[in-house]
Amino acid sequence: NAGVTQTPKFQVLKTGQSMTLQCAQDMNHEYMSWYRQDPGMGLRLIHYSVGAGITDQGEVPNGYNVSRSTTEDFPLRLLSAAPSQTSVYFCASRRDRLSNQPQHFGDGTRLSIL
Amino acid sequence: DAKTTQPNSMESNEEEPVHLPCNHSTISGTDYIHWYRQLPSQGPEYVIHGLTSNVNNRMASLAIAEDRKSSTLILHRATLRDAAVYYCIRLGTGNQFYFGTGTSLTVIP
Repeated sequence: NAGVTQTPKFQVLKTGQSMTLQCAQDMNHEYMSWYRQDPGMGLRLIHYSVGAGITDQGEVPNGYNVSRSTTEDFPLRLLSAAPSQTSVYFCASRRDRLSNQPQHFGDGTRLSIL
Repeated sequence: DAKTTQPNSMESNEEEPVHLPCNHSTISGTDYIHWYRQLPSQGPEYVIHGLTSNVNNRMASLAIAEDRKSSTLILHRATLRDAAVYYCIRLGTGNQFYFGTGTSLTVIP
């Protein structure tokens, strides 16, 4: 079972460049979300989606865009990368919006902005 | 939104039980209590969740206070592989999962 797949695993960007972090899940989960984790800190929620066509903001949405055109995919876009966006990014999914569902995480994308 | 409070760090000797506490005094009556852990350089991993009754699985046990304002994650015999950051999840109004800074568990051989 693939679960939650994130690509790429590593990326280096220059300030001002744009990029899309890919996230795909094969479990037919309605709920997907993106987190960032800075060194020595917990995960912070960027954006989430309760189903195809529906997205909403989390704690730290500025500088990031998302869309959900299919159930399987939830890409995260950096429109103009800044050094402050250097972080490890995790995508997660769970069956639906109810709180009785465990959340599954990808292995992360390590992003450096120079 | 509900709030959670955990100790920053704890230590345990190998093969001894570990009790990791979490206060969630503002939790609502229908919110499930979730625990995740993150091993070094890995993504978070689901550990256990529950609503009111104590829960057991192959990884751990979850003891939930009768008033649901606190819970305790119990590792029955800590191993070196259990060294990780353990997160008690805070739920948002839309059931978003929010992570605090968690409890960093050190297991001493």
